[in-house]
Order: sequence, then C-alpha cells, then structure tokens
Amino acid sequence: DADVTQTPRNRITKTGKRIMLECSQTKGHDRMYWYRQDPGLGLQLIYYSFDVKDINKGEISDGYSVSRQAQAKFSLSLESAIPNQTALYFCATSDFARDEQFFGPGTRLTVL
Amino acid sequence: AQSVTQLDSHVSVSEGTPVLLRCNYSSSYSPSLFWYVQHPNKGLQLLLKYTSAATLVKGINGFEAEFKKSETSFHLTKPSAHMSDAAEYFCVVSDLYNFNKFYFGSGTKLNVKP
Repeated sequence: DADVTQTPRNRITKTGKRIMLECSQTKGHDRMYWYRQDPGLGLQLIYYSFDVKDINKGEISDGYSVSRQAQAKFSLSLESAIPNQTALYFCATSDFARDEQFFGPGTRLTVL
Repeated sequence: AQSVTQLDSHVSVSEGTPVLLRCNYSSSYSPSLFWYVQHPNKGLQLLLKYTSAATLVKGINGFEAEFKKSETSFHLTKPSAHMSDAAEYFCVVSDLYNFNKFYFGSGTKLNVKP
C-alpha cells in the first residue's frame, strides 16, 4: 500500500464550483504539505501543517483553504474554482527529524 | 532567502552516454540539498540528498551529485544513461531555519535517445 495517498487522482470541474482534494498518510509523520505544479515552474507551496492544530500559509495560498482533520489527513479546498487553478496538486509529508519529504501520486485538476 | 536555479529546462542524451543536470543554489548558510525525479504521471521520488556530510552523494539508480560550496552548485550526474532515466528532475533546497521548507527549482526534463 502507498504511504501517501491522494483522492481523487483526476478531476474536471467548472468555474465557481467548490472542490476538495484529500490526502492521507500512513507514515506517522506530523508534517504535511500541499503543493501545486505548473509546467516550467517546479512545485509551489500552498499550505503546510506541522500538527493538527498548526496551519500555515505557503507562497500561493490565495483561493485555497485547508483542513487538518487528524494527524494522517490533510485536505485542500478550492472555495470557488477558477481556470488558472488548473494544475497538478501534490501532497507531501515529513517528520521533524529528517529533511526529506515524501510525496503522494498527485491529483490532476482541470477547471473549465 | 533560499533559492535554486536549474540551468537547463531540457537535456537530451543518447543511451549509454553521460548525464549532467545542473543546479545552482543560493543560501545564507550550509544548506540541505536534494534531487527528486518525476516520471510521467507519477509522484516525486527522492534520488539523493546532501546534508553536510560527504560532498559526493550517491543516490539510487546510479546517480550521484557533488556539493561544491565555492561554486554554490549541486549538479546531478550519471555515467551512462538508460532509457528508463527519461523523466523530469527537480533540485530542491531545504531552509533549515524556516521549518525545513522546500524550495524547488523549475525542473529539467531529461530525454534519452536510443
């Protein structure tokens, strides 16, 4: 079983719709992250969380919100989707003792 | 502030020839540096990481990278490319004093010709 899972893997939606992307992990890590990937731009940090009660904005948080429901679950919401939020979204986890981040398989979101 | 520059957006090599993917970093202190690989329609996988131990770091699948402080570089190399190496590669710097946040380069797409 994968250590970091994301659902859905693909989603097509319309402008103005509310969308939730979900991430679950079985690694027991405290830290979780949401990134978006656009061609030629690498990955950009949207939000990150160091425990259930800690949520922090990343570089590109406008238009997004998150919820850390449990240590193992971190959801990303687009309150009112717009076409320029079409991208590949990755969830990642890490623990405080190691620098390394572990990535989920990604969610491809298309906003029409 | 930390930052990473990947000098080539695309690199094309023939199978069996050496691979060189270039990365320069900017950091106020000794950084942690990583290379991740992303195969088509897949997530990111760690290739190798440098965390102030040996300057020559060996990773998976025959890749290695050398940390050169004087040149602020962390180039990724492999002696002989394989078709399965075709992927996108990301150089990443971790900000030790900012909760180990990751800063990604823009990526280098490696094409391997038969």
